[in-house]
Amino acid sequence: DVKVTQSSRYLVKRTGEKVFLECVQDMDHENMFWYRQDPGLGLRLIYFSYDVKMKEKGDIPEGYSVSREKKERFSLILESASTNQTSMYLCASSVFGEKLFFGSGTQLSVL
Amino acid sequence: KQEVTQIPAALSVPEGENLVLNCSFTDSAIYNLQWFRQDPGKGLTSLLLIQSSQREQTSGRLNASLDKSSGRSTLYIAASQPGDSATYLCAVRGSSGSARQLTFGSGTQLTVLP
Repeated sequence: DVKVTQSSRYLVKRTGEKVFLECVQDMDHENMFWYRQDPGLGLRLIYFSYDVKMKEKGDIPEGYSVSREKKERFSLILESASTNQTSMYLCASSVFGEKLFFGSGTQLSVL
Repeated sequence: KQEVTQIPAALSVPEGENLVLNCSFTDSAIYNLQWFRQDPGKGLTSLLLIQSSQREQTSGRLNASLDKSSGRSTLYIAASQPGDSATYLCAVRGSSGSARQLTFGSGTQLTVLP
């Protein structure tokens, strides 16, 4: 089975801190995604990547950046965390056009 | 822009009942449609994926259908169990350009009462 692992289940950070969310997949998938999920707003795509060192903006990239130095790892970076970035962050991976596999999520609280 | 709607937002049924969850989408030019399950505070688990050329997919007690022309998909759950309680989301992948990304519905929260 595909495994998508997110480094932290819960994270509490202070406003202004730089935050790294890590995601690793073990199935050699080309595509990796970062979403955030908020009550009433559903899942929104932040960034995605189709290949190593390649990234594309999703629907809500402002305040975020990403890094994909290796195929299996896709990192989401909050350069200066703000309270409106408190959310559930979900990483996913797939082969193009096939099933999307999600990690278990990181609940981030920014105080 | 693709819009995906799931109605109702919440559904409560007694154990053993067969049920249908609905998903509608506005742009029929889709590549595929996927159904997911999400337990509280967890990530999403893929249940079924239907390619645009297919009409249905089955896995155990689950059956998903797709009618592209009418912009609808249904997820049928047979003989529901309390363990089926979760939020079910559908997601549509477009067939070209930026539309190739998934567009998610807001989900139907299902409660199966023992």
